[in-house]
Amino acid sequence: KAGVTQTPRYLIKTRGQQVTLSCSPISGHRSVSWYQQTPGQGLQFLFEYFSETQRNKGNFPGRFSGRQFSNSRSEMNVSTLELGDSALYLCASSRAGDGTWETQYFGPGTRLLVL
Amino acid sequence: QQQVKQSPQSLIVQKGGISIINCAYENTAFDYFPWYQQFPGKGPALLIAIRPDVSEKKEGRFTISFNKSAKQFSLHIMDSQPGDSATYFCAASRRGSQGNLIFGKGTKLSVKP
Repeated sequence: KAGVTQTPRYLIKTRGQQVTLSCSPISGHRSVSWYQQTPGQGLQFLFEYFSETQRNKGNFPGRFSGRQFSNSRSEMNVSTLELGDSALYLCASSRAGDGTWETQYFGPGTRLLVL
Repeated sequence: QQQVKQSPQSLIVQKGGISIINCAYENTAFDYFPWYQQFPGKGPALLIAIRPDVSEKKEGRFTISFNKSAKQFSLHIMDSQPGDSATYFCAASRRGSQGNLIFGKGTKLSVKP
């Protein structure tokens, strides 16, 4: 079974631009979560989508948004990029049943550099 | 406010030794505690996980010890190998928010041959 895939793997943008990152979950997984990883702040939760609806949201400004499609694929968008948005953006998928004992499987990430 | 505190930040262990990484949490609503391993250029991969109704879980050379009253849990890597050199993250989540993992800051482990 193929793992979580993320595209693109690397991205360079300039301040003020916007960016869209894509994530394809493991087949059969309906939940997709996004995380930002930086050396200073570590891994921080951005949001989670399940059945095309945002189910949970972390403490990030409204410039960060996402969506999920009917095939469970997800995109996240960052508008008006700032230097501090440079990070590794990780997507994770899970089957997302009703319980909490669900493993999240991470993709390799998209490394975003904002100049 | 850091909900999951992890220590040490870095750890150097000799091959064959025991690596111990500790985590403490604040939110008593957490009921799922996974450990992830991350190699450079890769996403985190689940290593082992525990729920608070057990005090210990072992999978091969990896053991989680859980102390509910102290709100602490730790990862023990027995017979550490150079291939174990990676960054390890503890995490926690709670029912109803299972897609939201709260991570510790990570521990960079180096196992010397």
